[in-house]
Amino acid sequence: AQSVAQPEDQVNVAEGNPLTVKCTYSVSGNPYLFWYVQYPNRGLQFLLKYITGDNLVKGSYGFEAEFNKSQTSFHLKKPSALVSDSALYFCAVRAWKDSSYKLIFGSGTRLLVRP
Amino acid sequence: EAQVTQNPRYLITVTGKKLTVTCSQNMNHEYMSWYRQDPGLGLRQIYYSMNVEVTDKGDVPEGYKVSRKEKRNFPLILESPSPNQTSLYFCASSPKGSSYNSPLHFGNGTRLTVT
Repeated sequence: AQSVAQPEDQVNVAEGNPLTVKCTYSVSGNPYLFWYVQYPNRGLQFLLKYITGDNLVKGSYGFEAEFNKSQTSFHLKKPSALVSDSALYFCAVRAWKDSSYKLIFGSGTRLLVRP
Repeated sequence: EAQVTQNPRYLITVTGKKLTVTCSQNMNHEYMSWYRQDPGLGLRQIYYSMNVEVTDKGDVPEGYKVSRKEKRNFPLILESPSPNQTSLYFCASSPKGSSYNSPLHFGNGTRLTVT
C-alpha cells in the first residue's frame, strides 16, 4: 500500500540545537515529496519539495530536507532551532491511486522548541 | 494578497441541520480540494475539483457534497451533519492539481462541532 509515515508524534529540542523531523514513504515509481508546516489556528504552509535533482532540498525559514532513496526517507532538518519553529509538521507524498495522482499526508509531528 | 479564504472559522451545529462552508481563492487556480484533519490521522481528502464543473471523490466523501460553478469558489456542503463529522476542515488550491507539481495553498481552516 502506498503510504507515508511520521514515526514521532512529538519532537522536543532546545533552542539553538539542530532538529530533525522524520518521514518515510512507500510509493511505486519516483516519489514527489513535500513538507508543510501548520502554526496554531492557521492553515498548512508549504516548506519545501523534492521532485528530482539534488537530494538535499532547501526551503523556507532555514529548513532543509534530505531525500534518501535507499532508505525511502525524506527527513526535515534545521541546523539551529528557534522557539518560533514550534508547530505541527506534515510530510506528504504524491502517489498513484484510484487511476489518478493523490497527495497522501502523514499523521503529523509536533515540534516543540524550548527556550 | 493571494489567499484561500474559508468561512466560517468556527461552527457549532446540531445533528441533521444542513450547513455550508465556503471557500474562495483569488489566484485563478484550476485545482481546489477539501480536507479534514483529525488527530493522529493527518489530512484526508474529502473531494477535489480539477476545474469548473469537474469534481471527484477523495478518500472520505461520505456525508459531504461539493460544487464548482465558478473557478474561484468551492463550497463544502453537509446535508445532514452527524457527530462523526466534527473535525477541522481545510480548503486548498493549486494552479493545476493533476500532477501535484505545485504546492497546495491552504485556507486557515474551519473548526466544525456537531452535537
